[in-house]
Amino acid sequence: KQEVTQIPAALSVPEGENLVLNCSFTDSAIYNLQWFRQDPGKGLTSLLLIQSSQREQTSGRLNASLDKSSGRSTLYIAASQPGDSATYLCAVTHVSGGSYIPTFGRGTSLIVHP
Amino acid sequence: NAGVMQNPRHLVRRRGQEARLRCSPMKGHSHVYWYRQLPEEGLKFMVYLQKENIIDESGMPKERFSAEFPKEGPSILRIQQVVRGDSAAYFCASSLFEPLGQETQYFGPGTRLLVL
Repeated sequence: KQEVTQIPAALSVPEGENLVLNCSFTDSAIYNLQWFRQDPGKGLTSLLLIQSSQREQTSGRLNASLDKSSGRSTLYIAASQPGDSATYLCAVTHVSGGSYIPTFGRGTSLIVHP
Repeated sequence: NAGVMQNPRHLVRRRGQEARLRCSPMKGHSHVYWYRQLPEEGLKFMVYLQKENIIDESGMPKERFSAEFPKEGPSILRIQQVVRGDSAAYFCASSLFEPLGQETQYFGPGTRLLVL
């Protein structure tokens, strides 16, 4: 059974810092890994999707890396801003019985204060 | 193009009542996932549907829960005889192509169910 762990569970930083959020998974036979952002009381917004054959993806100030063999992914946020405050979720998709089932971590709650 | 829509956004039920949660996927999307987010826990997969078909319901409790995605109209997640433990946020996601894992999922805002 796939298990996804995110560290740290919570993070509070001053504006401008560069951040690293960590995600680890127990079963390396994944199809892809996705990072989401969830704002309080809202749904999820996809940030980056990394296919199993890829090593990293970048979008603006965000960079996500994937190391399948060690079962790890990191989300790097450069020059953090108060608007980055949210919960960041990591989801690993694997194939089960012909369908693609995502397993989510519990998230990292980020607060960026001015 | 409106995003994934869910209604109601908030739903209050007493124990033993039925809860019906609706999800309208993005226009053109025929693949729908339902997830449940319990307090202080991560999202848990419940069921994956295509139009008129349940593809994978391995994450859905065998009793009291059912889901459908008819040819016309929204996808419905139905919970019969609700209990307090059903209180959670229920999210729907949709995608254009199969398999879902190949591309980004688009999530709705969720329905927050409170069982009194």
